[in-house]
Formats: sequence, C-alpha cells, structure tokens
Amino acid sequence: QVHLVESGGGVVQPGGSLRLSCAASGFSFSSYAMHWVRQAPGKGLTWLAFIRNDGSNEYYTDSIKGRFFISRDNSKNTLYLQMSSLSAGDTALYYCVRGGVGFRLYYWGQGTPVTVSS
Amino acid sequence: DIAMTQSPLSLAVTPGEPASISCRSSQSLLHTNGFNYLDWYVQKPGQSPQLLIYLVSTRASGVPDRFSGSGSGTDFTLRINRVEAEDVGIYFCMQDLQIPPTFGQGTRLEIK
Repeated sequence: QVHLVESGGGVVQPGGSLRLSCAASGFSFSSYAMHWVRQAPGKGLTWLAFIRNDGSNEYYTDSIKGRFFISRDNSKNTLYLQMSSLSAGDTALYYCVRGGVGFRLYYWGQGTPVTVSS
Repeated sequence: DIAMTQSPLSLAVTPGEPASISCRSSQSLLHTNGFNYLDWYVQKPGQSPQLLIYLVSTRASGVPDRFSGSGSGTDFTLRINRVEAEDVGIYFCMQDLQIPPTFGQGTRLEIK
C-alpha cells in the first residue's frame, strides 16, 4: 500500500526558507518519478515540481523557478522540496505525489501546511 | 501554459440522478500518439485528491463504473450516471500533455 507522509511545514516569515520532506513506503521509491503539488486555502490545485526516479531530470512551474528545488534520496525513500524567498502567495497545503506514466498523479500524501506570515 | 476551464463550478444532484462536468482546454490535448492527456481527480471532504480517470476515459483502479469520461481535443466531460452520497467532493480536470500540468478550477458536487 502506497504511503506518503509529508513533514516540515510550518509558519515562516516572508523571505524565509523551509524544507519539506516526504517519506515514502509501500512501493519501490527509486522506480517512480515524484511530484509536489500545492493547494492554497480554499483554492484549487497547482502543480509545482517533478523529479525523475533517478533524479536525473527536474521540472518546475514558472512561479517557483529559482526559489524552490526538488530533490530525492532514494537510499532514504525520501523526497524533498527546498523552498526559499517565501511570500504570502506560497501559503498552502503542500502535497507529495507519486508519479508514474508521464505527469499523471497517482498517489497523494495528506499534505503539510505552510503559512508565510509576519 | 494550457488553461483549463471547468463548468459548472458547483452542482447539486439528487441521489440516483446523473451528473455531468465539462472541462475545456485552451489548446488541444491530443498527443501525436493518438491519446488525449486529460485526467480527472476527485477531492472528497477532508481528504487528499485521488486519481479518478486518466487519458480521458480510463478509470483508475477501484473506481466504480458509474464514472465515465469522454471527449477529445479541447472539450471533455466527466459523467456520473447515478450519483451516490459518497461521490460528494470537488472534481478537478488536469492536462498532462505539456509542462506544467495544469488543473481546472474544480467543480463542487453536492447531494440534494
């Protein structure tokens, strides 16, 4: 059974940084691409970033390029999202998602909340 | 980026009645391989989103056959042929033809 547990969210001041983690279990982590998706309070879904199973390729949506970085440690079955220069617009619930074929989003974690506020 | 537009944004349906949600994309989602890269996700109350349908009409594992998808190019439809109480939630379409994948605004389904 696929299990994704995000952590690392919290309250951070504007301009600050945060690193999110996602612990994966129940599948062969190193065989699957992974994504981060966020959902602002009461809003829709925004895809953020993708990383291939071996970490060889990454893709980002424009609004986070140069500020957020996706990475993974296959030896620890863990996905990361390093976020910097945070602003109020980054306030959201951040989901870790297991990929598969193309950019399809197969299994979602429960999310970790990030609040950017002074 | 490809813009995705859903309608209606909310609907209330009597149990046992059908429901239909439309999704339109600003560009064709037809790949050269002949497939349209359009998925549907549902976010039930208090839960994370889950994959419902991919490639327009293929149901994800465990999805009841009362859910169906259709369409091609830029116009797509999700249908529930007999709504049940457990179908309450927000339904999102998403294109994964181009990077970045983009979602529709979501359609809130309620039970009358």
